[in-house]
Amino acid sequence: QQPVQSPQAVILREGEDAVINCSSSKALYSVHWYRQKHGEAPVFLMILLKGGEQKGHDKISASFNEKKQQSSLYLTASQLSYSGTYFCGTLLGGGSQGNLIFGKGTKLSVKP
Amino acid sequence: GAVVSQHPSRVICKSGTSVKIECRSLDFQATTMFWYRQFPKKSLMLMATSNEGSKATYEQGVEKDKFLINHASLTLSTLTVTSAHPEDSSFYICSARRRGTLLYNEQFFGPGTRLTVL
Repeated sequence: QQPVQSPQAVILREGEDAVINCSSSKALYSVHWYRQKHGEAPVFLMILLKGGEQKGHDKISASFNEKKQQSSLYLTASQLSYSGTYFCGTLLGGGSQGNLIFGKGTKLSVKP
Repeated sequence: GAVVSQHPSRVICKSGTSVKIECRSLDFQATTMFWYRQFPKKSLMLMATSNEGSKATYEQGVEKDKFLINHASLTLSTLTVTSAHPEDSSFYICSARRRGTLLYNEQFFGPGTRLTVL
């Protein structure tokens, strides 16, 4: 049931773009994205609820394809501060009161 | 808003002792609190879910008698690692689901507690 994230790791130069994918083998109710820096707790980025929903915050946006049971996180014109491990957490189709299941994470390193 | 605190942030203890970790939602009421364990460079593994005033629900493979969870109020949950051993050393993180957000099920994480058992 654990969602699969890809790629496992990515190295960028400042200003480059990246896409992180999160796929599930089960129908999803929602997808949650978090970023975790080394030694710190995950920080909430956004939730996508409806099929086809897209959200954005600054230069980080995401989409949710309910049919394909997957979500993608887009990082545009990356900054050094974007470095960290990105986790997607998925809630299965049973509804909003279930438990989040997290993927293994994608480590993003942004170099000057 | 939506701040979750954890205390202590770091603890070092001797094998065989018990350690209590507190998780508080500071500016909201949490219907449910979650306890996770994270090994270095690994994902977050859910240990248990606790609702205020009721017994915690443990994930498969997590020992209830070893990891005692008490959810005393809508803003406080505690995790007690009893008779800790070196293999219990890990990063423990709590999260809280904000009351009133049934639709979105937002969860906010505490800063984590680094437990080292000698």
